[in-house]
Amino acid sequence: AQTVTQSQPEMSVQEAETVTLSCTYDTSESDYYLFWYKQPPSRQMILVIRQEAYKQQNATENRFSVNFQKAAKSFSLKISDSQLGDAAMYFCAYRSAIETSGSRLTFGEGTQLTVNP
Amino acid sequence: DTEVTQTPKHLVMGMTNKKSLKCEQHMGHRAMYWYKQKAKKPPELMFVYSYEKLSINESVPSRFSPECPNSSLLNLHLHALQPEDSALYLCASSQDPHRSPSYGYTFGSGTRLTVV
Repeated sequence: AQTVTQSQPEMSVQEAETVTLSCTYDTSESDYYLFWYKQPPSRQMILVIRQEAYKQQNATENRFSVNFQKAAKSFSLKISDSQLGDAAMYFCAYRSAIETSGSRLTFGEGTQLTVNP
Repeated sequence: DTEVTQTPKHLVMGMTNKKSLKCEQHMGHRAMYWYKQKAKKPPELMFVYSYEKLSINESVPSRFSPECPNSSLLNLHLHALQPEDSALYLCASSQDPHRSPSYGYTFGSGTRLTVV
């Protein structure tokens, strides 16, 4: 079974600064998907960024980028130019690529990010 | 339409009541999910429907009964719940990753359930 570990229960960052959230995972599979989701107090889980394991290039979405180290099974999220609206719980998640549809997401325990003005 | 819509947003029910949660999406996604989330914890998978058939049941108690009447609609029927069932119930949907390059899960904003 796959596991996802987020070792930082809480992080804080000053507005406009950069912060990196850590995520490691354990799997015996070679093909899979990794995600970062954001959950603000409004409750909705919002997809921040996605990485396919077969792609060596790190994914980037505006101020969000990942450092994907497949051999180390590490998938960290970097938030640049942090904004107050980035404050939320961030979940790292894993999904096997073997199943074609209706597969489970395995979540880490989450990192609560605070952005200080 | 790129949303998953859940109703109601809040629900308070007694332990002898019967109620239902509803989830709807019109993105053509063929997999739909129910998750349960406790405060400051990650979502826990309950059920998965793939092409309108139940494909995963994570040993959920029978007081939770899922239903997928069509490809756009997912219900969760609740009966004789316990106070410990109080939580945020999230619905999600996803495409087949082999058919969509922009693969991802889309979540609704959840139903906050309180059992009294």
